[in-house]
Amino acid sequence: SYELTQPPSVSVSPGQTARITCSGDAMPKKYAYWYQQKSGQAPVLVIYEDRNRPSGIPERFSGSSSGTMATLTISGAQVEDEADYYCYSTDTSGGVFGGGTKLTVL
Amino acid sequence: EVHLVESGGGLVQPGGSLKLSCAASGFTFSDSAFHWVRQAAGKGLEWVGRIRSKPSNYATTYAASVKGRFTISRDDSRNTAYLQMNTLKTEDTAVYYCTRVLVTPFDFWGQGTLVTVSS
Repeated sequence: SYELTQPPSVSVSPGQTARITCSGDAMPKKYAYWYQQKSGQAPVLVIYEDRNRPSGIPERFSGSSSGTMATLTISGAQVEDEADYYCYSTDTSGGVFGGGTKLTVL
Repeated sequence: EVHLVESGGGLVQPGGSLKLSCAASGFTFSDSAFHWVRQAAGKGLEWVGRIRSKPSNYATTYAASVKGRFTISRDDSRNTAYLQMNTLKTEDTAVYYCTRVLVTPFDFWGQGTLVTVSS
């Protein structure tokens, strides 16, 4: 079955740039989507189709994709960005989430 | 305003069945596909399955872990999607979310409903 691989954790200081990666063999052909999930809450879409930001999402969130890897970048991370982040993509069988990355900002 | 509200969760014994509902409002229900995503306590998100809209013949697909046991359906007249879960296992214990695809995947989510499979 198709898998998306994320680092379990990323840690940055406030104001630094956080980068969270998501690798998968089908990435060159499929879009990546990124979701933020804070404790006890439903996920929130922060990036769609590799690099597009929904309305209401701060400009410090950006996305990119190259080869088999998609990257979520948070430029000037804030304490309130501390959360779990999940990438999502599709394959011929349906959808798949990455294992999630816990972002710590302190 | 878009709302998705899941219901129907609860405690069920292994081997039992449960049917979850996802009531939608604030958008044209019939134009959307609906997905179910679950999350076990302390674990990551797991995609469960989806149902497409009428123009796509209400096509469904499922994760391997639930295929043959779970069935997704919808009633466009009631603006509600469903997840019928049969032959439940302890590893199905999770919060179950419904979410939609209208243009962008999963732009709105419900608050989730907890399913506990235990004897």
